[in-house]
Amino acid sequence: AQSVAQPEDQVNVAEGNPLTVKCTYSVSGNPYLFWYVQYPNRGLQFLLKYITGDNLVKGSYGFEAEFNKSQTSFHLKKPSALVSDSALYFCAVRALWGGGADGLTFGKGTHLIIQP
Amino acid sequence: ETGVTQSPTHLIKTRGQQVTLRCSSQSGHNTVSWYQQALGQGPQFIFQYYREEENGRGNFPPRFSGLQFPNYSSELNVNALELDDSALYLCASSLVASHKEAFFGQGTRLTVV
Repeated sequence: AQSVAQPEDQVNVAEGNPLTVKCTYSVSGNPYLFWYVQYPNRGLQFLLKYITGDNLVKGSYGFEAEFNKSQTSFHLKKPSALVSDSALYFCAVRALWGGGADGLTFGKGTHLIIQP
Repeated sequence: ETGVTQSPTHLIKTRGQQVTLRCSSQSGHNTVSWYQQALGQGPQFIFQYYREEENGRGNFPPRFSGLQFPNYSSELNVNALELDDSALYLCASSLVASHKEAFFGQGTRLTVV
């Protein structure tokens, strides 16, 4: 069965510093990987995805993620953090559930706190 | 905004009752998935609908059921509500067998008392 691990419940970064939010995954076959962000009392907003190709993926709001097949990781990064980046971040892998369904399996989420 | 809308935004039900949640998919999307997000947890896949048929289910009992309509809108029905059903329920629309990302609604917060 597929799984996603986000080892840090919370990441604290000073504004202007680079940030990394970690994610590792387990899935059969080629991984389709996603990062979503959730603000309080809101749904999930798509940030970026890896399907195939370049291991460094660029997404919304200056975020990027690095896919590493040998380490089964897909860490989210940003060169310079903003206070407005403070939110809950989810890593997800798309998997087949039988019958053709391709729902997402999510990690538990990482709270990112950017300190002014 | 994603174009996926859910109603109602909040709901309080009593244990044992039944509830129906609604979702309007993004235009052009033919697949809808439902997720349950308990407090402090990541979303968990409930099931997915394509062409008005359920085409896959996560680890949820049959009292969780759904419908998809010809206009691709959808309902999630939960019977015999339990306290543990209290959660944020998220609807996501997408294109089947596509590498496109899924778009989520803002969710319905269900509280079972």
